[in-house]
Amino acid sequence: AQTVTQSQPEMSVQEAETVTLSCTYDTSESNYYLFWYKQPPSRQMILVIRQEAYKQQNATENRFSVNFQKAAKSFSLKISDSQLGDTAMYFCAFSLNYGGSQGNLIFGKGTKLSVKP
Amino acid sequence: ETGVTQTPRHLVMGMTNKKSLKCEQHLGHNAMYWYKQSAKKPLELMFVYSLEERVENNSVPSRFSPECPNSSHLFLHLHTLQPEDSALYLCASSQDLWSYEQYFGPGTRLTVT
Repeated sequence: AQTVTQSQPEMSVQEAETVTLSCTYDTSESNYYLFWYKQPPSRQMILVIRQEAYKQQNATENRFSVNFQKAAKSFSLKISDSQLGDTAMYFCAFSLNYGGSQGNLIFGKGTKLSVKP
Repeated sequence: ETGVTQTPRHLVMGMTNKKSLKCEQHLGHNAMYWYKQSAKKPLELMFVYSLEERVENNSVPSRFSPECPNSSHLFLHLHTLQPEDSALYLCASSQDLWSYEQYFGPGTRLTVT
């Protein structure tokens, strides 16, 4: 069975600084996807970034980037130039890759990030 | 905001009540999902529908009864709930079953008294 662990229940960062959220996962499979979802206080969860396990290059989306270490089963999210609007719960998620179709999304417990002015 | 809406946003019900949660997606997607989000626990997938057919039921108690009358609407009928069922219930949709991007609704905050 696959599991996702986020070891930091809460974190805070000053506006404009950089913060890294940690995520580790466990799987015996080699073909899968990893995701970071953001859930702001308004509660609508949105996809921030996605990584395919077969790609060595780390995914980036503007100020958001990941550090994907497949051997270590680690998938951290780096937020650069933090903004007040980045305050949210961040969920790391995993799904298997069935030939291009993903399987069930498995979520971690989340990290509550507060960006302070 | 995404094209997935949920009503009501907040619901308080007694253990003997019957209520329904509604989800509607305006994205033309073919798959819809119900998740349960409890404090300090990972999101739990409850039900999955693809083209109005239920394709997954993750050992959810029968006091939760889903209904998908068409690909745009998803309901979760509730009856005889327990206080431990209090949680945020999230609906999501995706273009096709298990498409990599799921679009989430804002959720219904349910309190069972």
